[in-house]
Amino acid sequence: DQQVKQNSPSLSVQEGRISILNCDYTNSMFDYFLWYKKYPAEGPTFLISISSIKDKNEDGRFTVFLNKSAKHLSLHIVPSQPGDSAVYFCAATGSGTSYGKLTFGQGTILTVHP
Amino acid sequence: KAGVTQTPRYLIKTRGQQVTLSCSPISGHRSVSWYQQTPGQGLQFLFEYFSETQRNKGNFPGRFSGRQFSNSRSEMNVSTLELGDSALYLCASSLGANEKLFFGSGTQLSVL
Repeated sequence: DQQVKQNSPSLSVQEGRISILNCDYTNSMFDYFLWYKKYPAEGPTFLISISSIKDKNEDGRFTVFLNKSAKHLSLHIVPSQPGDSAVYFCAATGSGTSYGKLTFGQGTILTVHP
Repeated sequence: KAGVTQTPRYLIKTRGQQVTLSCSPISGHRSVSWYQQTPGQGLQFLFEYFSETQRNKGNFPGRFSGRQFSNSRSEMNVSTLELGDSALYLCASSLGANEKLFFGSGTQLSVL
């Protein structure tokens, strides 16, 4: 039973345009969400997070939106750059659960073309 | 400050053998988590340790075990290896329970 789903295995975007990566979850106990980025042969690196008390969090070119009623979150990257090409993972954890125990989606491969 | 260090980077084993993977967390981090990454399943949580105690455990068979030492270094062990255990095993550390994870580069295990 996959509790966090990233339905798009891949996304291709032109440099300078917006990249939108989507993530859905089914567990209503999840209340903290994170996005990680992963390059080949490296471990995932933290990008941005959002708590369920917010519906938007921004950090530079990265913005995460949370729609609790739809159990959906999205990561917007504006403008997209070739260096953003990587695998992006959505992750979630629940109230009272350590952030060390995350439930991850399967990832979306983002390719940004120059 | 050095990041999370995992050794070895690559490992080849045969079915039925056992393997031990090592993880050194970032200095000062007391929490260590382990994840398995496979192409079909994404990243799946194995277990989490804090101050030498297992705090959380994922849905993996008992062949997968781990421990944490007093210096926060951690090891995970897989006994009676199966072909399906071939995966990238990632270790991550954090300062505490509600702090973000910092991942190592992983150990790529191939079971033949």
